[in-house]
Amino acid sequence: DTGVSQDPRHKITKRGQNVTFRCDPISEHNRLYWYRQTLGQGPEFLTYFQNEAQLEKSRLLSDRFSAERPKGSFSTLEIQRTEQGDSAMYLCASSLGTVMHGELFFGEGSRLTVL
Amino acid sequence: AQTVTQSQPEMSVQEAETVTLSCTYDTSESDYYLFWYKQPPSRQMILVIRQEAYKQQNATENRFSVNFQKAAKSFSLKISDSQLGDAAMYFCARHFRRTGKSTFGDGTTLTVKP
Repeated sequence: DTGVSQDPRHKITKRGQNVTFRCDPISEHNRLYWYRQTLGQGPEFLTYFQNEAQLEKSRLLSDRFSAERPKGSFSTLEIQRTEQGDSAMYLCASSLGTVMHGELFFGEGSRLTVL
Repeated sequence: AQTVTQSQPEMSVQEAETVTLSCTYDTSESDYYLFWYKQPPSRQMILVIRQEAYKQQNATENRFSVNFQKAAKSFSLKISDSQLGDAAMYFCARHFRRTGKSTFGDGTTLTVKP
């Protein structure tokens, strides 16, 4: 059994460039979450999907951020025109929405550094 | 904003001793769940223990137990017989069933001294 996988694990980019992260959840999980974590802080909710539907998006998420889960399996998180303030760890998590409510299974994260 | 607060940024414990990590939260929802997650250095976050808000009985998982005080909106984690492998950052989280969203505290870094 594979857990939640994220790719790439590390990304260094220059300000203004676009970046995309991919998350592959645990196969039977219907919910997929994106969180952002900066040093010394807890994960901050960005958005989540139930199957392919994006159910909630944080008001903190600017228009430069977009997430998709086209077939209800993997998900991508794209950041356009990156800014230095976007530097963070981007965490993906999945869960089985109907049982064990709310238990999240996390990937190892994608660390973004914007120069 | 409805928040989760961990008032202890850092804690330390001697190996084999007991330590308690604190967490308080606010909520206007009645249907929610509480969790403690562990994040070892450079490794992924994993679940330690969960508590359904409608259950009065405190959850236990081997050496880990919680003290859930619903009226006080308090949810502390007790680690007994601490081991070196318990060293990690611990996050308290509140999950609303209605929205499907989890909110995390800012974490407590636990050091275990041999």
